[in-house]
Amino acid sequence: DQQVKQNSPSLSVQEGRISILNCDYTNSMFDYFLWYKKYPAEGPTFLISISSIKDKNEDGRFTVFLNKSAKHLSLHIVPSQPGDSAVYFCAASAVGGGSEKLVFGKGTKLTVNP
Amino acid sequence: NAGVTQTPKFQVLKTGQSMTLQCAQDMNHEYMSWYRQDPGMGLRLIHYSVGAGITDQGEVPNGYNVSRSTTEDFPLRLLSAAPSQTSVYFCASSYSFVRLQETQYFGPGTRLLVL
Repeated sequence: DQQVKQNSPSLSVQEGRISILNCDYTNSMFDYFLWYKKYPAEGPTFLISISSIKDKNEDGRFTVFLNKSAKHLSLHIVPSQPGDSAVYFCAASAVGGGSEKLVFGKGTKLTVNP
Repeated sequence: NAGVTQTPKFQVLKTGQSMTLQCAQDMNHEYMSWYRQDPGMGLRLIHYSVGAGITDQGEVPNGYNVSRSTTEDFPLRLLSAAPSQTSVYFCASSYSFVRLQETQYFGPGTRLLVL
């Protein structure tokens, strides 16, 4: 039973355009969401996060949107750059028991073409 | 700070062999964890620790043991390796165990091949 779903295994965009990566979750107890970026042969690195009390968080070119009613979040990258090419993981954590665990999606491989 | 370090970077084992994957962090983080990444499966939590002397199971703990005798180290033991344990293993640490709002810092990974 996959609690965090990234239904698009891959995404290809042109440099300078917007990249939109999507993530859906099923556990209504999740209240904190994170995006990680991973280059080949490296460990994931934190990119941006959002608490369930917000519906948007912005950090430079990266913005995460949260729609709690739809149990959906998205990561927008504007403008996309070739260096953004990586695998992006969505992750979530829940209140109460199990709050010390992160649940990851399967990842979306983003390719930004020059 | 070296951050999170993992050794070895790559290892080949035969079925039934045992080994320990080492993980250390120098950031005085309370929380440490082990994940495995398999193609098309994302990151799955194996074991985690909220402090020295305290460990607990994650999503896929079978075949793995852990211990946390110090704040800095969190080794992962494979007692009898199986081909299904072929994967890339990531260790991670975080300052706080109460909430993971403090982000996790990941090590570079250990690639394990079990023949």
